[in-house]
Amino acid sequence: NAGVMQNPRHLVRRRGQEARLRCSPMKGHSHVYWYRQLPEEGLKFMVYLQKENIIDESGMPKERFSAEFPKEGPSILRIQQVVRGDSAAYFCASSPKIQGEAFFGQGTRLTVV
Amino acid sequence: EDQVTQSPEALRLQEGESSSLNCSYTVSGLRGLFWYRQDPGKGPEFLFTLYSAGEEKEKERLKATLTKKESFLHITAPKPEDSATYLCAVQAEGSSNTGKLIFGQGTTLQVKP
Repeated sequence: NAGVMQNPRHLVRRRGQEARLRCSPMKGHSHVYWYRQLPEEGLKFMVYLQKENIIDESGMPKERFSAEFPKEGPSILRIQQVVRGDSAAYFCASSPKIQGEAFFGQGTRLTVV
Repeated sequence: EDQVTQSPEALRLQEGESSSLNCSYTVSGLRGLFWYRQDPGKGPEFLFTLYSAGEEKEKERLKATLTKKESFLHITAPKPEDSATYLCAVQAEGSSNTGKLIFGQGTTLQVKP
């Protein structure tokens, strides 16, 4: 059973470009979470999705950031018009139910130059 | 506001020198407390879930305990391969319909041979 798969592992974007981060949850997991880890900071919740629905986006910046989890295919975290402050590690986690442990992917490290 | 505080920030041990990591939490109601291990450049790896005060879980050299205000991760006779950052996270009652995790800043453990 493959774990949570994230790609790309590393992504470099110039200021103003778009970044698309992909996450395939573990088989049988319908709950997907995105977290951001800024340098020297802890993991911060961004958004929680179930298939085709955004359930909680309270941790996501109001502008430039969006997330989706379509019926078919991976979950996507999209950052438009990236700025230097968006440079961070973005982690996806999945779980088979709302409560209980979540399993993390290896992350996408975004660098904005 | 729900909050998780870990101490110490960093810990250096000699191989075989047992110690404990602390995780203090302030939440409206605890749904679960989680310990993860994170190696540099990797995603968090799930270790334990604790749900109620008095509960204990063990895995190899690690033992996690829970009280009403804090959790401890005890490391017995650590080895260099135990070197990592250990993360504590909680699910609060307020997030019972989302399952999002609130993380502490982590404790970076270094075990010297």
